[in-house]
Amino acid sequence: GENVEQHPSTLSVQEGDSAVIKCTYSDSASNYFPWYKQELGKRPQLIIDIRSNVGEKKDQRIAVTLNKTAKHFSLHITETQPEDSAVYFCAAGRGSNYKLTFGKGTLLTVNP
Amino acid sequence: DGGITQSPKYLFRKEGQNVTLSCEQNLNHDAMYWYRQDPGQGLRLIYYSQIVNDFQKGDIAEGYSVSREKKESFPLTVTSAQKNPTAFYLCASSFGRVNYGYTFGSGTRLTVV
Repeated sequence: GENVEQHPSTLSVQEGDSAVIKCTYSDSASNYFPWYKQELGKRPQLIIDIRSNVGEKKDQRIAVTLNKTAKHFSLHITETQPEDSAVYFCAAGRGSNYKLTFGKGTLLTVNP
Repeated sequence: DGGITQSPKYLFRKEGQNVTLSCEQNLNHDAMYWYRQDPGQGLRLIYYSQIVNDFQKGDIAEGYSVSREKKESFPLTVTSAQKNPTAFYLCASSFGRVNYGYTFGSGTRLTVV
């Protein structure tokens, strides 16, 4: 089955800096890669996703890049703000399937 | 809020008891999922259901059971066979294939006392 590894497990940055979280996946058939943000005590929420026919996708301060050859994808947050502090999860799945496999999460702390 | 409701928010269970967690959605989603979240472990899939009256085991199904009698509902029973049931349980739903993304419920925190 699919295995998703996520690094780092914790990340601390100063407000205004950029943050990068990286994930690798094992199933070359996976073609859908979402990122979820979970604030303390709240539900995970989808913040951005990318499909394997695209190399990069941006949404304001958030971007995701995908390298299918190397089987890794990354989340980039620019101009970080304290409200970006949360746990971020990457996931991978086949678009023809129903299951997502999640990474173990990254606790991002943005210091004012 | 969010179209998918989990209840209760907090649940306490004595050892040896079965307990059922509720998950209801009004999003008209076909697929529903149960994940378990432990610190440092990410989200691990317990069971999922693609359509009514059908469900499949996930990666950590032992000690759990589910039913899917209605499209809107996917209750999870944590049985006494689950050796370490204390965790945060998340229900999710999707239109079907994963490339539509999941909508998560707000979770149930189960504690064994």
